[in-house]
Amino acid sequence: AAGVIQSPRHLIKEKRETATLKCYPIPRHDTVYWYQQGPGQDPQFLISFYEKMQSDKGSIPDRFSAQQFSDYHSELNMSSLELGDSALYFCASSLVGVAGGVVQYFGPGTRLTVT
Amino acid sequence: GQQVMQIPQYQHVQEGEDFTTYCNSSTTLSNIQWYKQRPGGHPVFLIQLVKSGEVKKQKRLTFQFGEAKKNSSLHITATQTTDVGTYFCAALSYGGSQGNLIFGKGTKLSVKP
Repeated sequence: AAGVIQSPRHLIKEKRETATLKCYPIPRHDTVYWYQQGPGQDPQFLISFYEKMQSDKGSIPDRFSAQQFSDYHSELNMSSLELGDSALYFCASSLVGVAGGVVQYFGPGTRLTVT
Repeated sequence: GQQVMQIPQYQHVQEGEDFTTYCNSSTTLSNIQWYKQRPGGHPVFLIQLVKSGEVKKQKRLTFQFGEAKKNSSLHITATQTTDVGTYFCAALSYGGSQGNLIFGKGTKLSVKP
């Protein structure tokens, strides 16, 4: 079965640079979520999109922005990178409205290292 | 803000021993999900509990949802080295329109052969 695809898998950037992370959800899933997971931490919700519209916002810094495109893929844009942005960034997708609740399927993650 | 408390943070067991992790919320939850994250991997959905007092089993894993829907537990019988990883409970965020999850801090399980 198709899974969530994220690219790149690893990214190294310097402070103050920008980064773009991409996510390709499971086909026919209508919702995409972005999470940030620091070392030894639990995943922290950043932002989500439902049918290409932003639906919820979590602890996403103002330096970050995201969008979902017509083909449902999503991009997380990160500017003015700081050392503290080094983390694993997960994208998850789900099909909202399916009876029984919302199950999220996570991608393999992008490991961002800011030096 | 909304929180889901999970204990213990770490658990070290000998292979064959049992393991339990607990999740608690101060508010009533609509449902609770459990995820497993292997070292270096991504969270993988295990199960979702919706009904008060619900108990579900997956082989050696038993999941429970409290009667008041404020707590949940995951119990693993006779752990194996393949059970190593971090187990997270997660609840839907109140006010979230499309189901973003609030994760517990996770319980990191290590199994000694």
